[in-house]
Amino acid sequence: DSGVTQTPKHLITATGQRVTLRCSPRSGDLSVYWYQQSLDQGLQFLIQYYNGEERAKGNILERFSAQQFPDLHSELNLSSLELGDSALYFCASSVGQGKSYNEQFFGPGTRLTVL
Amino acid sequence: SQELEQSPQSLIVQEGKNLTINCTSSKTLYGLYWYKQKYGEGLIFLMMLQKGGEEKSHEKITAKLDEKKQQSSLHITASQPSHAGIYLCGTGGAQKLVFGQGTRLTINP
Repeated sequence: DSGVTQTPKHLITATGQRVTLRCSPRSGDLSVYWYQQSLDQGLQFLIQYYNGEERAKGNILERFSAQQFPDLHSELNLSSLELGDSALYFCASSVGQGKSYNEQFFGPGTRLTVL
Repeated sequence: SQELEQSPQSLIVQEGKNLTINCTSSKTLYGLYWYKQKYGEGLIFLMMLQKGGEEKSHEKITAKLDEKKQQSSLHITASQPSHAGIYLCGTGGAQKLVFGQGTRLTINP
């Protein structure tokens, strides 16, 4: 158990819908990262937040957005869902903001299926 | 951008045998992570290497970063069913990690 929690574990929805994925980082960690894992693209970085502020953006679609709240939990919002958005979405957390090589602790993931 | 290539993509070995997984970078590695993922589950941190020539071991798993810091290898000695899963190498640290495609390891009894 990494100490990072993600809800829900599974999510099945239809194309065009909007969903919210939630992540609670390890106690004391200020950084939250979101990753998408699909069969064809592998594990891809989406976005990072540090203490409530966006710090880095990766291959995140405009239909996707995220935020980190004052209690440090984070939410990833996915809208206008397409079949290709079906994937495992991971949240990871680390102590620092990524200036040094801090280990990232990964949550168990949310499996999103878009029908 | 930096890319990591892992080989082999999949590996089937008999229980008790040794095996090696390789991770090659398109650029110099300044931090290399090895993670293990059980099918459909989260990633478990194994080891981090930073210095050229560095070698770390944990139980029966040894990871090494070459002197030029462009290739890392993960070696498992006397494999067990518990070693089965997907092994991912990743690099980064400055805000994000870039991962290889992963190596799927199957252990046959």
